[in-house]
This record gives sequence, C-alpha cells and structure tokens, in this order.
Amino acid sequence: GQNIDQPTEMTATEGAIVQINCTYQTSGFNGLFWYQQHAGEAPTFLSYNVLDGLEEKGRFSSFLSRSKGYSYLLLKELQMKDSASYLCAVRDRSAGNKLTFGGGTRVLVKP
Amino acid sequence: IAGITQAPTSQILAAGRRMTLRCTQDMRHNAMYWYRQDLGLGLRLIHYSNTAGTTGKGEVPDGYSVSRANTDDFPLTLASAVPSQTSVYFCASNEGVNSPLHFGNGTRLTVT
Repeated sequence: GQNIDQPTEMTATEGAIVQINCTYQTSGFNGLFWYQQHAGEAPTFLSYNVLDGLEEKGRFSSFLSRSKGYSYLLLKELQMKDSASYLCAVRDRSAGNKLTFGGGTRVLVKP
Repeated sequence: IAGITQAPTSQILAAGRRMTLRCTQDMRHNAMYWYRQDLGLGLRLIHYSNTAGTTGKGEVPDGYSVSRANTDDFPLTLASAVPSQTSVYFCASNEGVNSPLHFGNGTRLTVT
C-alpha cells in the first residue's frame, strides 16, 4: 500500500513564498505529480518529478528526494489567485502504475 | 475545445436508485479513470480502464461498475445508491503511464 502525507492547511501573505511538503511510502516509486485545485473545480496539472532534484516552472518549483520519500512544491511571489488546494500524487509500479493522491493542502493567500 | 465532459454536473438521488455518471473525452487517450473526492480523504480511485475493452478495480470499487465500449466513453454506474456514495466524482484520462491526468469538471452526487 501507499501512505502519502501533506499538511492540511497553510496560510501565507501575498508576495511571499510558501513550501508545501509531501512525504510518501511506496514499494515501487515511479513518479510524483503535483496538481492545483481551486474550490469547486477540477484538479489541474502543475509538475512532475521522477528523478531527484528541482524542476522549475515559472513561479512554481517542485523538488524530489527518492531516498527520503520526500517532495515539496514551492510557490514564489504568491498571488491571491494561488489560493487553492495542492495535491501530491505518487505513481507506484507495484500498484499497476496507478496514481494515489494525498489529502491535499489548502493554501490561503492573504493580502 | 478538447477535453473531458462529465454529466450531469450535479444530482440528488434517492437511496436504492440506479444512476449512471457519464464521461466522454475527445483527446483519444487510451487510459481513463474514475475518482471520488471526499473532504479529508483526497481523491480515491474507483475504477480504471487502460484501453477500450478492458477495465480494472481501483482502491474503492464496491458498489460501482464501469464499461469501456470505445475509446471516448467511460460511464460509471451505481447499481443501488447508498448515502455513503455522496461525493464529488471526477473522470480523468491520460496518454500513458508517465503523462499527467486530465480531469473533467466533476459530478456532485448527493444520495439521500
């Protein structure tokens, strides 16, 4: 089975930086995805990591350490529109490469 | 606009009734999935299909069935709805194992 943990909620100020951590336990790690989900909407893809290191996409970056079973999503220069839930999802070979999602982290950006 | 269409958007259903949630994609993706999303539990996989003609069970398949007669359509059926099936249901698809999921806009189902 898989266990994916991420904080339930975080609050940050507009213009600041927020780091959302995700830890996981899998027997056949085969990639980690981050999704953004605004309230009442569908999740949308943000980033994908399969090798160790940092992937940068504009204001968003995602980091992976496979040996530690750890990833983080870094949101820089926060904007009000970044208020959303951020979902960590892990692909596991031993589960037929299906994605398993964490419970999501709700980020509230305050002025 | 290419993507995934789900219907209905929302539904209130009496317990014991049969209900089919529809999902259609026009991206020609081989793999399709049904997830349910409940507060505090995240997205959980109900059923999936790797290609037309095949289906498989996910993490929470009980009480649900699916079919995949062609590439585009992947309906989810609740044979006899129960209140614990109250949830938001998302259909998703992807091109392959390492490609991201594309999600439909969801169906909000309330079973009373």
